[in-house]
Amino acid sequence: SQQGEEDPQALSIQEGENATMNCSYKTSINNLQWYRQNSGRGLVHLILIRSNEREKHSGRLRVTLDTSKKSSSLLITASRAADTASYFCATLGGGADGLTFGKGTHLIIQP
Amino acid sequence: GAGVSQSPSNKVTEKGKDVELRCDPISGHTALYWYRQSLGQGLEFLIYFQGNSAPDKSGLPSDRFSAERTGGSVSTLTIQRTQQEDSAVYLCASSRQALNTEAFFGQGTRLTVV
Repeated sequence: SQQGEEDPQALSIQEGENATMNCSYKTSINNLQWYRQNSGRGLVHLILIRSNEREKHSGRLRVTLDTSKKSSSLLITASRAADTASYFCATLGGGADGLTFGKGTHLIIQP
Repeated sequence: GAGVSQSPSNKVTEKGKDVELRCDPISGHTALYWYRQSLGQGLEFLIYFQGNSAPDKSGLPSDRFSAERTGGSVSTLTIQRTQQEDSAVYLCASSRQALNTEAFFGQGTRLTVV
């Protein structure tokens, strides 16, 4: 079953602008991860934020986590055409559940 | 190996035939996941292995789907009596352990049932 749900489903912005994607989830989590997928094949891990963390940075990426609202956001600053991809959030619960993914946000950066 | 390896990369099969998809995880990774992704859709969780055991089989769509993992390494996903709705990209991922670590994905097997 889908745990996370990304919002928006699709986003198109101009190169250089910032892109913000949101993720909401339903149950308690151990951590939340963001992944990127190009061309419908393998996913690449971007960043992991633990349930006791509120914000994390990696290069041009900034991730926030609000466990009270069961939501996370991914901000990509100074976007580039090469950032065009689908972005997924994934959550890991505390039980025997596997890593479950949302449906993704398709990001298009217009050059 | 350097990464997660899946084979074959593409498979075309006739409706009703059985197919076997293979995943070679990164050496030493104890957690292994199988997902299915239809065109333009999100990842549908199928099954998760911790070592050789599968604590969560709830995602398998029907009893035509089965998976095994031997020696805590290679995993095979078998689809019996394939149907056209089984056409999708099947993705495998592994991680060092289930908790607090990132998952590394293979490039997937694109299955087409004709």
